[in-house]
Amino acid sequence: DQQVKQNSPSLSVQEGRISILNCDYTNSMFDYFLWYKKYPAEGPTFLISISSIKDKNEDGRFTVFLNKSAKHLSLHIVPSQPGDSAVYFCAATYNFNKFYFGSGTKLNVKP
Amino acid sequence: NAGVTQTPKFQVLKTGQSMTLQCAQDMNHEYMSWYRQDPGMGLRLIHYSVGAGITDQGEVPNGYNVSRSTTEDFPLRLLSAAPSQTSVYFCASWGGGAGNTEAFFGQGTRLTVV
Repeated sequence: DQQVKQNSPSLSVQEGRISILNCDYTNSMFDYFLWYKKYPAEGPTFLISISSIKDKNEDGRFTVFLNKSAKHLSLHIVPSQPGDSAVYFCAATYNFNKFYFGSGTKLNVKP
Repeated sequence: NAGVTQTPKFQVLKTGQSMTLQCAQDMNHEYMSWYRQDPGMGLRLIHYSVGAGITDQGEVPNGYNVSRSTTEDFPLRLLSAAPSQTSVYFCASWGGGAGNTEAFFGQGTRLTVV
């Protein structure tokens, strides 16, 4: 059973608008969460992360929010750009030995 | 800096054949892992290692073997390939611990078993 879930396989937004990608997890032991971005024919690349002791982390256009009580995190991209079009994976860990990944959300930013 | 290097990039196998997917990293990372990516399934963990000589199973280990004789290398062996192992395989490495949680991925190996 997947411990990290991304229920939206795809998302389409207009350039300049906000993109919100969602992720849910079931294991309450997870204490560190990450987002990765993946372009076709490439490996995933790290985007942003958040520790469970925080509820928000910001890096330029990217902000990750964590709601521990709901076991939910989201990635906000503002403003969205066509170059942001990619598959986004959320991941979680509780001992840094291994990461559990969601199924991914394909973001399409339309010019 | 090469980062994580996977070879080969593409491979076609016949059912029952064996092969080894190579993964090497030059960042002196203790932690390494293998994932497979399938449509709708995301990245699923096959095996992982927390240091040379130490490996453990992930979520989908059946049909795969690993070893970690050096810090740099973490090969994945398919003992008897099956069509269900058709997938894209990614190797990752990271330093581990707070402040070293970013995993670096290789470019992937696309494997087709016919």
